[in-house]
Amino acid sequence: AQSVTQPDIHITVSEGASLELRCNYSYGATPYLFWYVQSPGQGLQLLLKYFSGDTLVQGIKGFEAEFKRSQSSFNLRKPSVHWSDAAEYFCAVGDGGAGNKLTFGGGTRVLVKP
Amino acid sequence: EAGVTQFPSHSVIEKGQTVTLRCDPISGHDNLYWYRRVMGKEIKFLLHFVKESKQDESGMPNNRFLAERTGGTYSTLKVQPAELEDSGVYFCASSQGRNNEKLFFGSGTQLSVL
Repeated sequence: AQSVTQPDIHITVSEGASLELRCNYSYGATPYLFWYVQSPGQGLQLLLKYFSGDTLVQGIKGFEAEFKRSQSSFNLRKPSVHWSDAAEYFCAVGDGGAGNKLTFGGGTRVLVKP
Repeated sequence: EAGVTQFPSHSVIEKGQTVTLRCDPISGHDNLYWYRRVMGKEIKFLLHFVKESKQDESGMPNNRFLAERTGGTYSTLKVQPAELEDSGVYFCASSQGRNNEKLFFGSGTQLSVL
């Protein structure tokens, strides 16, 4: 069965500093990988996704993620964090061609210090 | 364009009572999904509708949960009778296609069973 692990439950970062959120997955075939963000009072918003091709994926809000098959990882990065990036971030793996049945990690809550 | 709308945003009920959650997907989206996040755990898939038909209900916890999507528009998720462990955030999502198409999530219903 597929699974996703986000090792960091909480991360605190200063505004302007870089951010990296870790995600490790377990999946038998080529994974479909996603990062979502949930800001307070909002629904989950898709930041970026990886299906195939270039392993460095650009997303919205200045985020990027790199797929590393050898490490079963899909870490999310942002070079310079803004206060509005304070939110909870979720990594997820999709069920291939079987629809949008996603398996999520436990989430990482990001706090941004001024 | 209106997003995915969920009602109510919060619900507090006593153990043994019945609660019905509603989801209005984006107009024209045939695919509707329910997910749930129990406190401290991952977001987990509950079920998937294609129009009014249940495509996959493998994530439904037990027969106290009943989901419907009459007419292929809005969906309801009824919990009867509610138990303490049903507390959590229930998310609805919709998409136009079904194979890793972009999912649009609602802001969720926070259910508290006392």
